[in-house]
Amino acid sequence: DAKTTQPTSMDCAEGRAANLPCNHSTISGNEYVYWYRQIHSQGPQYIIHGLKNNETNEMASLIITEDRKSSTLILPHATLRDTAVYYCILTNTGNQFYFGTGTSLTVIP
Amino acid sequence: DSGVTQTPKHLITATGQRVTLRCSPRSGDLSVYWYQQSLDQGLQFLIQYYNGEERAKGNILERFSAQQFPDLHSELNLSSLELGDSALYFCASSPRLAGTGELFFGEGSRLTVL
Repeated sequence: DAKTTQPTSMDCAEGRAANLPCNHSTISGNEYVYWYRQIHSQGPQYIIHGLKNNETNEMASLIITEDRKSSTLILPHATLRDTAVYYCILTNTGNQFYFGTGTSLTVIP
Repeated sequence: DSGVTQTPKHLITATGQRVTLRCSPRSGDLSVYWYQQSLDQGLQFLIQYYNGEERAKGNILERFSAQQFPDLHSELNLSSLELGDSALYFCASSPRLAGTGELFFGEGSRLTVL
């Protein structure tokens, strides 16, 4: 099952960077950190994933600490459409995801 | 649009009944996954099929079954329905059996059991 801890909710001002933390202190060496988001009961949407190194794509950046016990998802310029529940997930299979309760991010105008 | 199609979008039925949810994966994707999202339990992985064969099982009840057909579409059968089965059921697909990569989720089928 999910072995991550995320804040229940966060607010972010529109246009500012949204930094969503995730603790995964018991992560195994072969486990990847994945981030998905779910906008209002729509299907979850993949954001980004990483193993050790920091990753960046067109949606977000993923910063993983050197000891891999925590990570931060960064949405560089949050918009109202980024309001969603964000899930931080560990997996060593890359496909069987066990979603926790996630962080409900509200972007405020 | 993820390319994954689920039908029906909404379904209302009574306790004790049986329903079938259908999923068409993205073109070319061989893996299909089923997830259940209820209010009190979040998103739960149910089962995975790859190229017609069951490959992984999660928290799927014995009253539920699934299969993947030669054309790669999948069906989730829910029988002897109970009130607690009311939930959103999501299908996802990927081109791989395993390994890193993203899953593409459909928009879900909302089941209401009265």
